[in-house]
Amino acid sequence: GNSVTQMEGPVTLSEEAFLTINCTYTATGYPSLFWYVQYPGEGLQLLLKATKADDKGSNKGFEATYRKETTSFHLEKGSVQVSDSAVYFCALSEGNFNKFYFGSGTKLNVKP
Amino acid sequence: ETGVTQTPRHLVMGMTNKKSLKCEQHLGHNAMYWYKQSAKKPLELMFVYNFKEQTENNSVPSRFSPECPNSSHLFLHLHTLQPEDSALYLCASSPTSHEEQFFGPGTRLTVL
Repeated sequence: GNSVTQMEGPVTLSEEAFLTINCTYTATGYPSLFWYVQYPGEGLQLLLKATKADDKGSNKGFEATYRKETTSFHLEKGSVQVSDSAVYFCALSEGNFNKFYFGSGTKLNVKP
Repeated sequence: ETGVTQTPRHLVMGMTNKKSLKCEQHLGHNAMYWYKQSAKKPLELMFVYNFKEQTENNSVPSRFSPECPNSSHLFLHLHTLQPEDSALYLCASSPTSHEEQFFGPGTRLTVL
């Protein structure tokens, strides 16, 4: 079956530190991969996506590369800000009717 | 108003009450979803509607009853809930398969 596994949080970093949040997936076919971000008190917002192997999604300084050989889609940012503090969800979509599978989320705390 | 809206944002109800959650999308999408987000658990897909037809019911108890009168509106009718049903209920919509989902801000439900 399909599933997504994320590293457990919380992840606590100082401002300007390098960020990596690991995500690996299991899928029966060729999924699209996504990172969503949830700020306190809000719904999920799409951060970036990749639809095929070796694609790199990027947005707001975040990036992730779709690695089929390692079934991974790790999220990275070179220099985090306090405003990046949020919960980050990795997800995949496969099959008909846009069924999504989400990871359990990783909370990021960035300290000034 | 744009995007995906949900009302109410907060709801407190007793176990014998009947209430409804409302979701509206102004994006012209054809698919709508209900998710349950509980603390420290992966996002749980509850229901999926495509072109007003229910295409997914993820083993949700019958005390949750969805309704999709048209492609822009989605309701979740609640009756005789349990305290463990307390969670953030998120609505989402999407245009077609393998495209990203757009989320509303959620309704924070507390069952006493």
